Amino acid sequence: DSGVTQTPKHLITATGQRVTLRCSPRSGDLSVYWYQQSLDQGLQFLIQYYNGEERAKGNILERFSAQQFPDLHSELNLSSLELGDSALYFCASSDDFFDEQFFGPGTRLTVL
Amino acid sequence: AQSVAQPEDQVKVAEGNPLTVKCTYSVSGNPYLFWYVQYPNRGLQFLLKYITGDNLVKGSYGFEAEFNKSQTSFHLKKPSALVSDSALYFCAVRGRRDDKIIFGKGTRLHILP
Repeated sequence: DSGVTQTPKHLITATGQRVTLRCSPRSGDLSVYWYQQSLDQGLQFLIQYYNGEERAKGNILERFSAQQFPDLHSELNLSSLELGDSALYFCASSDDFFDEQFFGPGTRLTVL
Repeated sequence: AQSVAQPEDQVKVAEGNPLTVKCTYSVSGNPYLFWYVQYPNRGLQFLLKYITGDNLVKGSYGFEAEFNKSQTSFHLKKPSALVSDSALYFCAVRGRRDDKIIFGKGTRLHILP
């Protein structure tokens, strides 16, 4: 168990809808990262937050947004969903910049 | 722009033999380098990292990796493979002036009994 929790484990929704994925980092970790894993794109870094502030942005679509709250949990919002957004979404946390990341179990999103 | 390449989609090794999973990178300046492993239906697990110092890094489950600056490589190795090592392995790189982390596409390791 990495100490990182993600909810829900599975999510099935329809095109055009909006969903929210939630992540609670390991106790004491200030950084939260979001990743998308799909068969054709591999593991794509989406965005990183550090202590409530956005720190780095990767290949995140404009339809996607995230935030980190004062209690350090984070939410990833996906809107106007398309079939191609179906993927595993991972959250990870770390203590600092050069530290290893601890990954949650992921949320499997299926867009029908 | 920084990048990381894992040139082999899959590697097959007989149990008990040494294994190598290759990784090369491109980054400005000195890198932070990581290896992660993913078992089926699980999140990634950290194996080892190179920050600075000794070029040979030892990590979890008997794995080690060698940082080679001249060849910009960070290959993952294990002297004697176990069937339980079969999994998907990811190399990742982060520049010291860049907050973005880039993962390779992954190499699926098959250890044959």
